[in-house]
Amino acid sequence: DTVMTQSPDSLAVSLGERATINCKSSQSVLRSSNNKNHLAWYQQKPGQPPRLLIYWASTRKSGVPDRFSGSGSGTDFTLTINNLQAEDVAVYYCQHYSNVPPTFGQGTKVEIK
Amino acid sequence: EVQLVESGGGLVQPGGSLRLSCAASGFTFSSYWMHWVRQGSGKGPLCVARISGDGRTISYADSVKGRFTVSRDNAKNTLYLQMNSLRVEDTAVYYCARDQSPGWFDPWGQGTLVTVSS
Repeated sequence: DTVMTQSPDSLAVSLGERATINCKSSQSVLRSSNNKNHLAWYQQKPGQPPRLLIYWASTRKSGVPDRFSGSGSGTDFTLTINNLQAEDVAVYYCQHYSNVPPTFGQGTKVEIK
Repeated sequence: EVQLVESGGGLVQPGGSLRLSCAASGFTFSSYWMHWVRQGSGKGPLCVARISGDGRTISYADSVKGRFTVSRDNAKNTLYLQMNSLRVEDTAVYYCARDQSPGWFDPWGQGTLVTVSS
């Protein structure tokens, strides 16, 4: 199985500042068949299910604020939250879907400093 | 509105059984792969079972293979997870999730808590 490793496990960021979350896969999630990175990002708030933010590593789901952005390719990816808002406090997960089974990272908790 | 609603969770003793259900609405259920994903307290999600839209292709995580059975009734727009020989380590919130194919999950249900304890 492809192992997804996120860093850091948690971070505290001041309101209005930038949060950066990293995700590394144990094998490339870039598929030559479509030249796309098969990676998604989710946000999970306490007591709620994960919510899809980004797919294809950098495509924001409709309705997701543009302060959320994804980047990276191959095995190394980043989720960036610009202008952090109070409602962004949550745990964030990356997930690959390049092969079966899809697997998730262990999560990164974002808090307000 | 696309909606997934799980039910059937609860407290069960080790070795016991439970059957989870996931009622889908707002989309053509039979057109989508569906997954059961569990999440232990403070842990990342883990996909435990997946089933194709026609129910013919199924796969399981190694940790549940031989104990859990996923099925679906497309006439009732419902996904099921039969869980037998439950272990303490199966304790988690269980979510059903729609696979957007090629593989991101959207949406997820609200989840149902399964607690395995004596």
